[in-house]
Amino acid sequence: GAVVSQHPSRVICKSGTSVKIECRSLDFQATTMFWYRQFPKQSLMLMATSNEGSKATYEQGVEKDKFLINHASLTLSTLTVTSAHPEDSSFYICSARVGGGTEAFFGQGTRLTVV
Amino acid sequence: QKEVEQDPGPLSVPEGAIVSLNCTYSNSAFQYFMWYRQYSRKGPELLMYTYSSGNKEDGRFTAQVDKSSKYISLFIRDSQPSDSATYLCAMIVNQGGKLIFGQGTELSVKP
Repeated sequence: GAVVSQHPSRVICKSGTSVKIECRSLDFQATTMFWYRQFPKQSLMLMATSNEGSKATYEQGVEKDKFLINHASLTLSTLTVTSAHPEDSSFYICSARVGGGTEAFFGQGTRLTVV
Repeated sequence: QKEVEQDPGPLSVPEGAIVSLNCTYSNSAFQYFMWYRQYSRKGPELLMYTYSSGNKEDGRFTAQVDKSSKYISLFIRDSQPSDSATYLCAMIVNQGGKLIFGQGTELSVKP
């Protein structure tokens, strides 16, 4: 399957600071990328969908000013958690899909801990 | 009612057993069905992908879709301890649509 690389795999930051997470499709061009959040023993919660060159579409209840998503190229999308608070601590996962396709390939996930 | 229902388990089986994992769904418009495997603290890995009804086999894994019953299954034959993970079903209505996930079933295969 296609490879999606997510970095960093783990990050600890202080409350009030911002954290950027990168998601790269290594061997294909990802027209669409998705960002998910996952709490322990729960399923993936879709946060937003981003298409290359367009503004991201956020799911209901997700603060777009807090979770900034940029999809500047066909191989890179970034999620920036701004002014992070302890309640933002979670496992964040990106996935990528070729335009119009059905299969989505996931990154390794980023464990964010805000202290 | 959630669009996709999946028993979270945990499910514990002895090595070599046949494992049956299932999901039910309410939206009859779903056409594409996937099973993902997720190891602890890792991203999901695509295992099986099926379009519409029918069976698909890949090694020890078999995926079944019964659209009339809105029911999908994943069977694992000759289960191994390395199969211990959380298995998530997912489905979409049409190409380019949003993936809707089940809650995931935690599977433990004991040596």
